[in-house]
Amino acid sequence: QKEVEQNSGPLSVPEGAIASLNCTYSDRGSQSFFWYRQYSGKSPELIMFIYSNGDKEDGRFTAQLNKASQYVSLLIRDSQPSDSATYLCAVNSGYSTLTFGKGTMLLVSP
Amino acid sequence: GAVVSQHPSWVICKSGTSVKIECRSLDFQATTMFWYRQFPKQSLMLMATSNEGSKATYEQGVEKDKFLINHASLTLSTLTVTSAHPEDSSFYICSADWESRPNEQYFGPGTRLTVT
Repeated sequence: QKEVEQNSGPLSVPEGAIASLNCTYSDRGSQSFFWYRQYSGKSPELIMFIYSNGDKEDGRFTAQLNKASQYVSLLIRDSQPSDSATYLCAVNSGYSTLTFGKGTMLLVSP
Repeated sequence: GAVVSQHPSWVICKSGTSVKIECRSLDFQATTMFWYRQFPKQSLMLMATSNEGSKATYEQGVEKDKFLINHASLTLSTLTVTSAHPEDSSFYICSADWESRPNEQYFGPGTRLTVT
């Protein structure tokens, strides 16, 4: 059973702070990793993907991957109230299918 | 690019009736389309994977005779919920992947189904 674990939160941070979201996965053969943002009542929106160990930066977002520890994280710098949403970690273990975590709710207070 | 649409965005139906949901890739040809279901405060659960012209592959526990999937073309897949019951009420979301960007999935806006 492939599992993706996330803390459900909510994670509360003040505006302008760094939000750190974490995810662990069980399948050591997983090859690609995704972070999606989902606003309430809406479908997920792809934020970032990462394939290789290390950091990947895109604007205010940084994804970090450590395959040895089976751990992937998302850092959001200069958090804004509009970043308040549920963040879903997804893992692709092959054949294009994604396994999603339950998501972490992020609340950014003004 | 990579826009996926769904229709309808919401639907209310009576118990025992069938409902069809369409998923279209608007500006690209999808290699594969996926159907997910999401209950309140739960994560997305993959129901089935479909490729154009082939039978869908259903996840364990998903009744293929109840959730009929037809993948008529590289840009259209439909999910029909047959003999719907209140417990089928959920948020149904499709996604598609794109040959130009393998391993990435692009999600439709979702369909909220309420069965009364």
